[in-house]
Amino acid sequence: DTAVSQTPKYLVTQMGNDKSIKCEQNLGHDTMYWYKQDSKKFLKIMFSYNNKELIINETVPNRFSPKSPDKAHLNLHINSLELGDSAVYFCASSQGLAGNYEQYFGPGTRLTVT
Amino acid sequence: AQTVTQSQPEMSVQEAETVTLSCTYDTSESDYYLFWYKQPPSRQMILVIRQEAYKQQNATENRFSVNFQKAAKSFSLKISDSQLGDAAMYFCAYNENSNYQLIWGAGTKLIIKP
Repeated sequence: DTAVSQTPKYLVTQMGNDKSIKCEQNLGHDTMYWYKQDSKKFLKIMFSYNNKELIINETVPNRFSPKSPDKAHLNLHINSLELGDSAVYFCASSQGLAGNYEQYFGPGTRLTVT
Repeated sequence: AQTVTQSQPEMSVQEAETVTLSCTYDTSESDYYLFWYKQPPSRQMILVIRQEAYKQQNATENRFSVNFQKAAKSFSLKISDSQLGDAAMYFCAYNENSNYQLIWGAGTKLIIKP
């Protein structure tokens, strides 16, 4: 059973397009996250939702918009894609917001913008 | 602001030997949590080990153990009897109950020589 799944795993698209990445967790967790990992492997938090409520909204371009239709899903929509958006995007979930909770990660989506 | 520093961009070790990855952090809090995550070439991020700051005993998980020095704000990971499957990026991370997000180090790439 996949705990945190993301689709697609690979996404190649052209500049200016709009694309979405979907994330689902079957762990019953309350909190979900989106991370961006750049080519140097640095992980940056983008968004966090707790019980469908936006908790963390880091400084990312407003072309990125998360949507949480329910606690088990957190999707990421990206408008007007740019070359600099090329990266691996990870979805993660945790039981809650408390600091001791482990985060469970999806397999990542490698986005390539040409 | 809390920061996490991993001073070793890359480490290599002979198979079956022991290696230690270093991590230091900066915080004014007394209650917090520290994590080591592993990211193999498959990209999947996996929790290796966790330490609660209020616990004096160092955490251990099979061949993985930590040396937690609270006063020095140091949290190193020791891998004993290194195996080829240990080759990965290792990330140190910090969290506290009021922060709502993990603070990540830049990662250390571990190479295992057969």
